[in-house]
Amino acid sequence: AQKVTQAQTEISVVEKEDVTLDCVYETRDTTYYLFWYKQPPSGELVFLIRRNSFDEQNEISGRYSWNFQKSTSSFNFTITASQVVDSAVYFCALGRGSTLGRLYFGRGTQLTVWP
Amino acid sequence: NAGVTQTPKFRVLKTGQSMTLLCAQDMNHEYMYWYRQDPGMGLRLIHYSVGEGTTAKGEVPDGYNVSRLKKQNFLLGLESAAPSQTSVYFCASSEDRQGATDTQYFGPGTRLTVL
Repeated sequence: AQKVTQAQTEISVVEKEDVTLDCVYETRDTTYYLFWYKQPPSGELVFLIRRNSFDEQNEISGRYSWNFQKSTSSFNFTITASQVVDSAVYFCALGRGSTLGRLYFGRGTQLTVWP
Repeated sequence: NAGVTQTPKFRVLKTGQSMTLLCAQDMNHEYMYWYRQDPGMGLRLIHYSVGEGTTAKGEVPDGYNVSRLKKQNFLLGLESAAPSQTSVYFCASSEDRQGATDTQYFGPGTRLTVL
């Protein structure tokens, strides 16, 4: 069975702090895909990153970075020098490599960045 | 490109009423999906389609029907609305890439309340 766990329901930080959002996944597939989406207060879902199971290189995009570790089945997301505009719900999701592209979502982490 | 659009944005129904949610995408994607988002539950897949004329059940299909008569449109129907169907509904689409879960792009959502 496929499962994504985001144990942090809510996180609050003050602007300019670094913050890491945890994501742990379960799958028996050898090929799979991991995603992060952002849902700001306006409600839409914004795609942030897609990573396949064969690429364990960490990724950095501006203030965002992702740490993928197959050994611990984790795909954590770090925001450096957080800003108020980073306040949102962040979802981690898992997709299988062999079937029809559906995503298994975690329950999300509400991040609040205070000025 | 408009990406993925959904109509309506908001709707209030009485128990037992019917309605159809419309999703349209202009990215020529093969796959389309309907999810519902409930507080603390993440997103759960209702139905999906792998191409024009095809539909399949997802994780929570009961009480919903779908149709994909045209490649760019995916309709979600509620034949007899129930309060348990109060939710935010998201449509998504993705390319067809065999053996891979491609990135899903989401519409802005429809907030439905059933009284």
